[in-house]
Amino acid sequence: GENVEQHPSTLSVQEGDSAVIKCTYSDSASNYFPWYKQELGKRPQLIIDIRSNVGEKKDQRIAVTLNKTAKHFSLHITETQPEDSAVYFCAAISDGTPLVFGKGTRLSVIA
Amino acid sequence: NAGVTQTPKFRVLKTGQSMTLLCAQDMNHEYMYWYRQDPGMGLRLIHYSVGEGTTAKGEVPDGYNVSRLKKQNFLLGLESAAPSQTSVYFCASSYSSTTGELFFGEGSRLTVL
Repeated sequence: GENVEQHPSTLSVQEGDSAVIKCTYSDSASNYFPWYKQELGKRPQLIIDIRSNVGEKKDQRIAVTLNKTAKHFSLHITETQPEDSAVYFCAAISDGTPLVFGKGTRLSVIA
Repeated sequence: NAGVTQTPKFRVLKTGQSMTLLCAQDMNHEYMYWYRQDPGMGLRLIHYSVGEGTTAKGEVPDGYNVSRLKKQNFLLGLESAAPSQTSVYFCASSYSSTTGELFFGEGSRLTVL
């Protein structure tokens, strides 16, 4: 089955700097890669996703890139703000199988 | 529109006791899931359902049972709770199994003493 590795497990950045979280996946048939954000004590919520026929997707300060050949994808957050502090989960899915999550990255944005 | 609702939100059990977590969604989603979240372990899938009357095992199904008698409800049961089942449990639903957004409930914190 699919296996998703996520790095780093914790990340601290100064407010205004960029943050990058990386994930690798094992199943070459995986075709959908969402990112979820979980604020402290809250439920995970989808923030951005990318499909396997697209190399990059941006939404304001966040972007996701996908390298199918290397089987890795990354989340990029620019101009970080204190409200970006949260746990971020990457995930991967292939047809007919449920979503598999990485173990999460705790991002702290220091004001 | 309540989305995904879980009950109860908190529960303390003694080892060996049984309990049921209820998940209800009002979005007419076919797919429903139960995850557990433990520190440093991410979200691990316990069981899931692809439609009314169906259930399937996820990554960590041992010690849990589920039922999906109605499309809007997905129940997670612990027949004989163990301390290793202390966790935060999240229910989620989605319209599609392949590319659909997961909508999570608020979570249920279970402590087994």
